[in-house]
Amino acid sequence: DTGVSQDPRHKITKRGQNVTFRCDPISEHNRLYWYRQTLGQGPEFLTYFQNEAQLEKSRLLSDRFSAERPKGSFSTLEIQRTEQGDSAMYLCASSPPAQGGEQYFGPGTRLTVT
Amino acid sequence: DQQVKQNSPSLSVQEGRISILNCDYTNSMFDYFLWYKKYPAEGPTFLISISSIKDKNEDGRFTVFLNKSAKHLSLHIVPSQPGDSAVYFCAASATTSGTYKYIFGTGTRLKVLA
Repeated sequence: DTGVSQDPRHKITKRGQNVTFRCDPISEHNRLYWYRQTLGQGPEFLTYFQNEAQLEKSRLLSDRFSAERPKGSFSTLEIQRTEQGDSAMYLCASSPPAQGGEQYFGPGTRLTVT
Repeated sequence: DQQVKQNSPSLSVQEGRISILNCDYTNSMFDYFLWYKKYPAEGPTFLISISSIKDKNEDGRFTVFLNKSAKHLSLHIVPSQPGDSAVYFCAASATTSGTYKYIFGTGTRLKVLA
C-alpha cells in the first residue's frame, strides 16, 4: 500500500508531557499538510510544507507545536507540554505538484491527554 | 469566522435515490474545491474536485456543481448506495493567492437507507 501512513495511530499521554507524531506521505508528493480534527468539526489546518520548506502555519498554532520535514520526505509534529485541549485527531495529508492539488489523507493519530 | 459552511448536519436518503449535499463559502478568492468522504476511525477519502473555471465536474456516480455567483457548491450522488453512508466534507482553497491550505466545512452525515 503506497498511501499516506501515520504513526502512532493512538497516543495517550499525561498533561505536561511531550508527544511526537510521524507522517510518511505518498512518495511523489511534494506537499505535506497537518490538520487537527475534533468531534463534530471538519479538519482544521495547522501547517503545510512544500518539499522541506514550511510555507504556512496557522495562527491558531501555539508555540508548543512544531513541525519539521527535514529532507522533504517524512514529517514530524511535536506538541510540547500537552494540555487536555490538545486531545484530537491529528491528520496528515499529501498532494502532488499540481495546481489545486487534491490532498490524500492518512488514517490519523488520535491523541488523548489525561 | 466560518468561511466554508455545511448547514445540514445530517441527511437521510433512500437507496437508489439522489443524495444532494450542499456547501456555501464566503471568500470570493476561493478557486479550488474538494469533496471528501469520511468513515469512522479513518482519514478522509478524496472524492472529487472542481476548479472555479468550471461549473460542473463528474466522476461516475458523483457530480459536483459550482455556482460562483452564489458562492455555493453541491455534491450529487446518483444512485445512492448504503456504502455511501458516511460524513461528507467540502473544502476550499485560494490557490491563486499562492496558498494550498484548505478550509473545511463541518461536514454532513449522510445515511442511505436500504
